[in-house]
Amino acid sequence: QKEVEQNSGPLSVPEGAIASLNCTYSDRGSQSFFWYRQYSGKSPELIMFIYSNGDKEDGRFTAQLNKASQYVSLLIRDSQPSDSATYLCAPLKSGGSYIPTFGRGTSLIVHP
Amino acid sequence: DAGVTQSPTHLIKTRGQQVTLRCSPISGHKSVSWYQQVLGQGPQFIFQYYEKEERGRGNFPDRFSARQFPNYSSELNVNALLLGDSALYLCASSPRTFSNTEAFFGQGTRLTVV
Repeated sequence: QKEVEQNSGPLSVPEGAIASLNCTYSDRGSQSFFWYRQYSGKSPELIMFIYSNGDKEDGRFTAQLNKASQYVSLLIRDSQPSDSATYLCAPLKSGGSYIPTFGRGTSLIVHP
Repeated sequence: DAGVTQSPTHLIKTRGQQVTLRCSPISGHKSVSWYQQVLGQGPQFIFQYYEKEERGRGNFPDRFSARQFPNYSSELNVNALLLGDSALYLCASSPRTFSNTEAFFGQGTRLTVV
């Protein structure tokens, strides 16, 4: 079982729709969860992080965490073509040191 | 404030050669991590340094080494380059190694081994 699993996609949604990106992880001790966005040829940039079960909203982005199911998701409301990128899920390994383990990412395409 | 800076941005090397990549973290950040990202994959953890000490090592061969300097900048060295080492090498800085901090990435160094 991979440490972090994401559907590679591409996930294609129309402009204005809600994009739902999913991630499962294997380390039950993971405490923090990060979502990074990576445009083609660029480095990852942090867009959301979540520590507690439930939802966390920031603008058009909502992160959802279910530790019992070892599942974290990212919802993007009112998707825009500029949201087209690869979204990387990164749980923080248990143990205290900051060593996020990245999934392979899900490619999102928002078409006009 | 300047972000994380990496140099060089692009590099072409021949198999068997050695390469050194450099990273300057955000001012005030004491932790630097290195990642390798092969096309189509997520970043893979190589090393983490905090306060000049190695705090974590990923599943990479001994050809990969790194160090952190007193000013918290860092170098990643790769010896005996293989074609498979071609990748984007990312440096990430964070204030500390605590579990509730986030990392900020540099623009990366694109290494091509021919």
